Amino acid sequence: NAGVMQNPRHLVRRRGQEARLRCSPMKGHSHVYWYRQLPEEGLKFMVYLQKENIIDESGMPKERFSAEFPKEGPSILRIQQVVRGDSAAYFCASSTGQGQPQHFGDGTRLSIL
Amino acid sequence: KQEVTQIPAALSVPEGENLVLNCSFTDSAIYNLQWFRQDPGKGLTSLLLIQSSQREQTSGRLNASLDKSSGRSTLYIAASQPGDSATYLCAVRPNTGNQFYFGTGTSLTVIP
Repeated sequence: NAGVMQNPRHLVRRRGQEARLRCSPMKGHSHVYWYRQLPEEGLKFMVYLQKENIIDESGMPKERFSAEFPKEGPSILRIQQVVRGDSAAYFCASSTGQGQPQHFGDGTRLSIL
Repeated sequence: KQEVTQIPAALSVPEGENLVLNCSFTDSAIYNLQWFRQDPGKGLTSLLLIQSSQREQTSGRLNASLDKSSGRSTLYIAASQPGDSATYLCAVRPNTGNQFYFGTGTSLTVIP
């Protein structure tokens, strides 16, 4: 009865390194959403994926950020050449379909040194 | 662009009180609205989901209402308990697009 699983829970990277955040949706869920929560700000949508497809990436920064949801395995949010401003909590949510309740993971807290 | 506002930003009440949290949104063309709670260092727990055609939803001591035309939703918590202390987030999904727009939340403290 696992919920949405995100790992790692905490990730520390130095400026210029790459960060990979993983998200395994709830069983039976094929829709995944990534959100970012900056300090003292609300959650902001980044990207919406279904298996092997990016449906909506309107919230993704134009550079350095990418996401995938392969046929097998978890969804991955990848941040290349991280900068201090990337420090945030990154949350993944999953659902059974559009318009259905989104269930959230506990997030990955990314800290950039 | 949808803007979601939650008032107050913080609220402190004694145990046992009934309370209301407010959420307002600027564009009434919404598909649904969802209330979440977030505990420190944790993810979001879904509390209630209201479809645009619904007026309210209830779960235990929680009741959420939706007035789409005025762009408002309220979350009513009855007989508050210290375990209710958390940040409560309101999120709106527009008719078009796939994302939720979140408010910045109301931080609730229930004092024993």
